[in-house]
Amino acid sequence: EAQVTQNPRYLITVTGKKLTVTCSQNMNHEYMSWYRQDPGLGLRQIYYSMNVEVTDKGDVPEGYKVSRKEKRNFPLILESPSPNQTSLYFCASSLYPPGTSGRASTDTQYFGPGTRLTVL
Amino acid sequence: ELKVEQNPLFLSMQEGKNYTIYCNYSTTSDRLYWYRQDPGKSLESLFVLLSNGAVKQEGRLMASLDTKARLSTLHITAAVHDLSATYFCAVDSRGTGNQFYFGTGTSLTVIP
Repeated sequence: EAQVTQNPRYLITVTGKKLTVTCSQNMNHEYMSWYRQDPGLGLRQIYYSMNVEVTDKGDVPEGYKVSRKEKRNFPLILESPSPNQTSLYFCASSLYPPGTSGRASTDTQYFGPGTRLTVL
Repeated sequence: ELKVEQNPLFLSMQEGKNYTIYCNYSTTSDRLYWYRQDPGKSLESLFVLLSNGAVKQEGRLMASLDTKARLSTLHITAAVHDLSATYFCAVDSRGTGNQFYFGTGTSLTVIP
């Protein structure tokens, strides 16, 4: 089954304790992205990756790191989490970066189930 | 800064009624995406509108795109309870990178 998986699904942690949220896709997609969802703000892009070893900042990258060493995996790293990073996080992937292929089937992003993070 | 604005933010409507959700955006992108999110769930793609004048329909939902006005609409016909969800529009930053921007979402509740 084609899917995007995230782990963990729920996480409660304390300020300053490094954590990693994993994201994996089995569709051989080139483009992967992380978003955070906060009430009243919609989803905001944190980082995205065009392919292996190619990552770039989204709208709200401060306090986050990512890596793309393999095509299927795109972990999100919080080196020193703070309470303002309490949020719902989504990983997403698409075959090509949105808007580049001209085809709905290859531009559409598929989303993981989400990770609810609470930083105390 | 690219902005994507949706109206209304909250919508409560009776079953059987029609209504329209509006999405305005500030980029020159000629593509627009609509997603649906059920409570406590992830996002699901509804429509990808790829050019000016594009119209797509699925069941009771119809989306359209006017790139000159930088406006997309999501029209709901004869609403049913199953359509209760949050609807997001989004645009890509074509020409200025490969970012993706979502609107704030419209929370739709269909009342029997």
